[in-house]
Amino acid sequence: DAGVIQSPRHEVTEMGQEVTLRCKPISGHDYLFWYRQTMMRGLELLIYFNNNVPIDDSGMPEDRFSAKMPNASFSTLKIQPSEPRDSAVYFCASRDRSGNTIYFGEGSWLTVV
Amino acid sequence: DQQVKQNSPSLSVQEGRISILNCDYTNSMFDYFLWYKKYPAEGPTFLISISSIKDKNEDGRFTVFLNKSAKHLSLHIVPSQPGDSAVYFCAASALNNDMRFGAGTRLTVKP
Repeated sequence: DAGVIQSPRHEVTEMGQEVTLRCKPISGHDYLFWYRQTMMRGLELLIYFNNNVPIDDSGMPEDRFSAKMPNASFSTLKIQPSEPRDSAVYFCASRDRSGNTIYFGEGSWLTVV
Repeated sequence: DQQVKQNSPSLSVQEGRISILNCDYTNSMFDYFLWYKKYPAEGPTFLISISSIKDKNEDGRFTVFLNKSAKHLSLHIVPSQPGDSAVYFCAASALNNDMRFGAGTRLTVKP
């Protein structure tokens, strides 16, 4: 199994630009999670989906952030417009319906200048 | 609202000694607890877990202890090895839904 695949691995963008992060979960997994890692808050849950439906988006920091899961094998996290304080590592993770363990991708390193 | 707290940002131990990483939680609905390990430039990887019906789970050099009354869990690594140097995240979930993480503790094992 290829694991959770995220792209891009690294992105540097200017303030005000739109950023789109992509994730392909492990095949067969029903749950998909987006986390953000910062020094102050560690791994912060932004949103999670079950069977492509958003279940809890209370962690999404602002309306500038949005996430979609159009099908079972693809999700996006979009920031529009981006700001320097959005600079962080964004992780996608997935889990199957019966397991308790979530599996992470390698992360997308975002720098907004 | 930090429901999972790791109050020690860093820990340094000598090779061969015991490493003890601590974690506290506030949500009494949490019923499953996990530890993840993260190396630089990689995603976190699962290390060990414990269900709320147990108070101890052991896997080789790694043991997790759970004290439900104190809402506290800890990870013991013995003996510690330089390759254990990483950031360790404590995580908790309730009713098999979402998973909440602490801020992480950076462990350094000195040769």
